[in-house]
Amino acid sequence: DQQVKQNSPSLSVQEGRISILNCDYTNSMFDYFLWYKKYPAEGPTFLISISSIKDKNEDGRFTVFLNKSAKHLSLHIVPSQPGDSAVYFCAVRGGTSYGKLTFGQGTILTVHP
Amino acid sequence: DSGVTQTPKHLITATGQRVTLRCSPRSGDLSVYWYQQSLDQGLQFLIHYYNGEERAKGNILERFSAQQFPDLHSELNLSSLELGDSALYFCASSLQGYTEAFFGQGTRLTVV
Repeated sequence: DQQVKQNSPSLSVQEGRISILNCDYTNSMFDYFLWYKKYPAEGPTFLISISSIKDKNEDGRFTVFLNKSAKHLSLHIVPSQPGDSAVYFCAVRGGTSYGKLTFGQGTILTVHP
Repeated sequence: DSGVTQTPKHLITATGQRVTLRCSPRSGDLSVYWYQQSLDQGLQFLIHYYNGEERAKGNILERFSAQQFPDLHSELNLSSLELGDSALYFCASSLQGYTEAFFGQGTRLTVV
């Protein structure tokens, strides 16, 4: 039972363009949504989050959009840089499992110079 | 540097053995979480402790156990190890349950 899905295993983007990473969830009780970035052999690094009372949150080049009716979350990176190449995980929190983060399977982003 | 420290970074051990992974959370964080990442898999939640008490359990095998000590550091004990237990084990911490969690660098466990 996959509660969080990242349907694109990989994404390739040209430097300077926009990267859009998507995430779908099933449980409407989730109330906090996060994106993490992970390089090989390192721990995930927190990027940006959004609570269910908002539909958009920006932090520099990173913007997270939340569409509660569609149970859909997306991360926009503009402009994309080669250093953004990594695995991106979306994560959700809430419902009956206080504190626990449930992760998607990840999307490998490659930004070409 | 997330402020979460995990030791050891690498561990190689034989099947049937027992190992202990250690995690020191960020200063002030009360919650500690353990996750497992097997090859080509996502991050699987194992267990959550808050201020010394177990709060939630995920897909944690009975051969695995964890605890959080009064100084808030946590240990994950893995026993009767099998080849399939080879994975990256991550610890994360957060101030409370409703804030961002910050991850350590992980412990790479190889069972041979």
